[in-house]
Amino acid sequence: DVKVTQSSRYLVKRTGEKVFLECVQDMDHENMFWYRQDPGLGLRLIYFSYDVKMKEKGDIPEGYSVSREKKERFSLILESASTNQTSMYLCASSSMLPGLAGGPSEQYFGPGTRLTVT
Amino acid sequence: DQQVKQNSPSLSVQEGRISILNCDYTNSMFDYFLWYKKYPAEGPTFLISISSIKDKNEDGRFTVFLNKSAKHLSLHIVPSQPGDSAVYFCAADYNAGNMLTFGGGTRLMVKP
Repeated sequence: DVKVTQSSRYLVKRTGEKVFLECVQDMDHENMFWYRQDPGLGLRLIYFSYDVKMKEKGDIPEGYSVSREKKERFSLILESASTNQTSMYLCASSSMLPGLAGGPSEQYFGPGTRLTVT
Repeated sequence: DQQVKQNSPSLSVQEGRISILNCDYTNSMFDYFLWYKKYPAEGPTFLISISSIKDKNEDGRFTVFLNKSAKHLSLHIVPSQPGDSAVYFCAADYNAGNMLTFGGGTRLMVKP
């Protein structure tokens, strides 16, 4: 069974603080993702990593950075947290192999971290 | 501008009846579509998918229909059960790029 764990379920930080969100997967997946979920906007991709030390910007990378030093771990960093980064953050992982009918491989999600920036 | 839209934020259905969740997209390059289901305090889980070369895919009580000319897909759940109450997201991909574009979600409530 695939397991994706996130370091915290709830986090409260102050404006200007540096924030680290950690994600670990145990399925030896090559791909890892960070999304944020906001009401009415669904899930929006922040960053995607397809290998150690490799990353690609998603739809909303501004204000965020990522780090992938080990295959199983993908970190999201808010360099200077702002109130508009208050959100639910979801990490996911997937295999690099194609999925059903040649489509994308299934993404497995962690339970999420609800971050509040005050 | 959102490339994948779910125009109904919520839907309420009686147990045993059909639930129909809708999704529209604007990018004609999308060639693969997925539905994810999310319970509170859990991450989304994959439900069903469809390739753009098909117009229907079925898995038990769940069927996804794709109308490429209308850029519209729908998820049918028959019969609906209280355990189906969750938020449903549609998502789209192209060229197996793995960078999914999600809709805003529809909260389904199935009443006993």
